[in-house]
Amino acid sequence: QQQVKQSPQSLIVQKGGISIINCAYENTAFDYFPWYQQFPGKGPALLIAIRPDVSEKKEGRFTISFNKSAKQFSLHIMDSQPGDSATYFCAARIRGGATNKLIFGTGTLLAVQP
Amino acid sequence: DSGVTQTPKHLITATGQRVTLRCSPRSGDLSVYWYQQSLDQGLQFLIQYYNGEERAKGNILERFSAQQFPDLHSELNLSSLELGDSALYFCASSVGMGGGADEQFFGRGSRLSVL
Repeated sequence: QQQVKQSPQSLIVQKGGISIINCAYENTAFDYFPWYQQFPGKGPALLIAIRPDVSEKKEGRFTISFNKSAKQFSLHIMDSQPGDSATYFCAARIRGGATNKLIFGTGTLLAVQP
Repeated sequence: DSGVTQTPKHLITATGQRVTLRCSPRSGDLSVYWYQQSLDQGLQFLIQYYNGEERAKGNILERFSAQQFPDLHSELNLSSLELGDSALYFCASSVGMGGGADEQFFGRGSRLSVL
């Protein structure tokens, strides 16, 4: 199955709170899991990415948690700010190296209220 | 700015027509990817080219075709347009063909409205 399921569809968080977005997959051939951030009128931009041999990766206020056995990964945004308000997409890439095509989740619209 | 340039920004056309979307990748990138973003389907991979050759195909309709030219720019041709083809079409580029941490950089997209 080449699907990535993402939840929730939308999320409202107060400034300073923690935003959590979850993704799940079935295909064990995925070897790279990036998160993209998209602002209105712009294209998606890579935020942070992880490989399945690592359980957690942190970059500033953004952390990916990866559970290989459960085939789930999540994005945590600590100390959420109004500037973080955007649509977030998780994605996955199939191992092999012959292509870099990404399978995207359906997106989460995050609104951080001041 | 990602360095990926897409034209036009917005295109309005009628059903049955044909349009061409253009993408210029970042300098030095050899791969170009096309994605379709619609409200109900999210971001869907269409096709990838690497240095002029097709590398991977996704859910691309037979009415759609693409190519990558010797100067590495790419065009996505959409023909016999239907209302359901209305969407944002994104182009992305990366250095390699796949593997490693080959980051894809996205353009701002071309919004197609079919009336």
